[in-house]
Amino acid sequence: KAGVTQTPRYLIKTRGQQVTLSCSPISGHRSVSWYQQTPGQGLQFLFEYFSETQRNKGNFPGRFSGRQFSNSRSEMNVSTLELGDSALYLCASRPTTQDEQFFGPGTRLTVL
Amino acid sequence: GENVEQHPSTLSVQEGDSAVIKCTYSDSASNYFPWYKQELGKGPQLIIDIRSNVGEKKDQRIAVTLNKTAKHFSLHITETQPEDSAVYFCAASIGDSGYALNFGKGTSLLVTP
Repeated sequence: KAGVTQTPRYLIKTRGQQVTLSCSPISGHRSVSWYQQTPGQGLQFLFEYFSETQRNKGNFPGRFSGRQFSNSRSEMNVSTLELGDSALYLCASRPTTQDEQFFGPGTRLTVL
Repeated sequence: GENVEQHPSTLSVQEGDSAVIKCTYSDSASNYFPWYKQELGKGPQLIIDIRSNVGEKKDQRIAVTLNKTAKHFSLHITETQPEDSAVYFCAASIGDSGYALNFGKGTSLLVTP
């Protein structure tokens, strides 16, 4: 069974631009969560989607948004990029009946 | 806000020795506590987890203990091997949903031959 895939793996943007990251969960997993990982703040929860509905949201500004499609694939969008948004963005999927989250390799976003 | 404290931030042990990483959490509603291992260039991988109704869980060389009253939990790795070298993260569920996690800042473990 294929793991969680994230595209693109690397991305370079400039301040003020917007970016969309994509995540394809493991087949059959309906829950997708997003995390931001930085050296200073570590791993921080962004939001979680289940069956196209956002169920949980972390303490991030409204510039960070996401959505989930009917096939469980998810995207997250960051508008008006700031230097501090440079991070590894991780997506994790979870089977409905289990707690374990399976992480993808992440998208490395660099904002110049 | 609610957070998870993890110590130490770096740990160096000799092959065959044991390694212990400790975490404390503040959200009394947390009921799920996973531990992840992250290798360079990869996403975190679950190595063991424990729920609040269990005090200890063991899987071969890895064990986790939970003291819910004191709000702390620990990871124990015995007979360490060089391939155990990685960054380890503890996490606690945000509330009792189990779906969203607060992570510790990580422990960089180095196992020297």
